[in-house]
Amino acid sequence: KAGVTQTPRYLIKTRGQQVTLSCSPISGHRSVSWYQQTPGQGLQFLFEYFSETQRNKGNFPGRFSGRQFSNSRSEMNVSTLELGDSALYLCASRRGRADTQYFGPGTRLTVL
Amino acid sequence: DAKTTQPPSMDCAEGRAANLPCNHSTISGNEYVYWYRQIHSQGPQYIIHGLKNNETNEMASLIITEDRKSSTLILPHATLRDTAVYYCIVRGGSQGNLIFGKGTKLSVKP
Repeated sequence: KAGVTQTPRYLIKTRGQQVTLSCSPISGHRSVSWYQQTPGQGLQFLFEYFSETQRNKGNFPGRFSGRQFSNSRSEMNVSTLELGDSALYLCASRRGRADTQYFGPGTRLTVL
Repeated sequence: DAKTTQPPSMDCAEGRAANLPCNHSTISGNEYVYWYRQIHSQGPQYIIHGLKNNETNEMASLIITEDRKSSTLILPHATLRDTAVYYCIVRGGSQGNLIFGKGTKLSVKP
């Protein structure tokens, strides 16, 4: 069974731009969560989507948003990029809310 | 904040068992203990989880104390490829997100 896939794997943007990252969950998984990992703050939860509805949200500014499509694929968007948004963005999927989360390889975003 | 405490780093000789401890003294009765590991700049990899009984799979064993206030992840025969940061996470059954602490950096040495 294919794992969680994320595209693109690497991305370079400049301050003020916006970016969209994509995540395809494991087949049959309806929940997708997004995390940000930086050297200073570690792994932090951004938000979770389940059946196209945002179910949980971390403590991030409104510049960070997401959505989930009917096929469970998810996208996250960051608008007006700041240098501090440089990070590894991780997506994780699970079948149901009580199930184990499985992570994708991440998207490395660099903001110049 | 993370509900677990782990040593920041540990060393282990290749071929020996690696025993990684985790304290979770405030764990609730319906909360599970999960272990993930992250090899440099890759996504975290699920290892194992348990509620109160000891668990074993092809990767590792998880030993949870009777009072459930601590646990130990055991890698029976560590290899160089097991060098990674290991995260112990306490999570409720329907909780949406995982709360990661700083984990334990395990270095397996030849």
